[in-house]
Amino acid sequence: QKEVEQNSGPLSVPEGAIASLNCTYSDRGSQSFFWYRQYSGKSPELIMSIYSNGDKEDGRFTAQLNKASQYVSLLIRDSQPSDSATYLCAVKNYGQNFVFGPGTRLSVLP
Amino acid sequence: DGGITQSPKYLFRKEGQNVTLSCEQNLNHDAMYWYRQDPGQGLRLIYYSQIVNDFQKGDIAEGYSVSREKKESFPLTVTSAQKNPTAFYLCASSNYLAGIQETQYFGPGTRLLVL
Repeated sequence: QKEVEQNSGPLSVPEGAIASLNCTYSDRGSQSFFWYRQYSGKSPELIMSIYSNGDKEDGRFTAQLNKASQYVSLLIRDSQPSDSATYLCAVKNYGQNFVFGPGTRLSVLP
Repeated sequence: DGGITQSPKYLFRKEGQNVTLSCEQNLNHDAMYWYRQDPGQGLRLIYYSQIVNDFQKGDIAEGYSVSREKKESFPLTVTSAQKNPTAFYLCASSNYLAGIQETQYFGPGTRLLVL
């Protein structure tokens, strides 16, 4: 059973701080990694995708991938109350289905 | 404006009734998916289809049925056999032929409630 694990939270950070969201996965052959943001009552929206080891930055978001440790993380710099949402990690091995984690609920406190 | 549309936004089902949720995409994606999300829970895969006229069961297919007669459309029927259908239903599509860069995008969802 391929699994993706995330701390369910809630993770609370003060406004302006860095939020760090973590995800581990069991399928060592996974090649594609994604972070989605889901506001309450809404559908998931793609934030970042990452395919190779290292960091990938997009605005205030940085995705970090370490395939040897089977670990992917999302850093949100200068966190804003509007970042409060559930963040879903998804992992994919070529030719197989996407596997989603249960999500981490982030709360950014004003 | 490319995207995925789902209708209706809210759907009410009576006991013993079959209901159909619509999903349409104009992203020219080959693969389409249906997920169920219960409150505070993650996504569970119901059915998926990678090409027209072919579909596969996901993890929780019992009580559901689908069809894929057109590339753009992947309707989901919640049958009377599904005893606990109240949930948020999400349709997604992906560019299956993009290889490692295949990415999944979601529609706005349909919330199904039982009367």
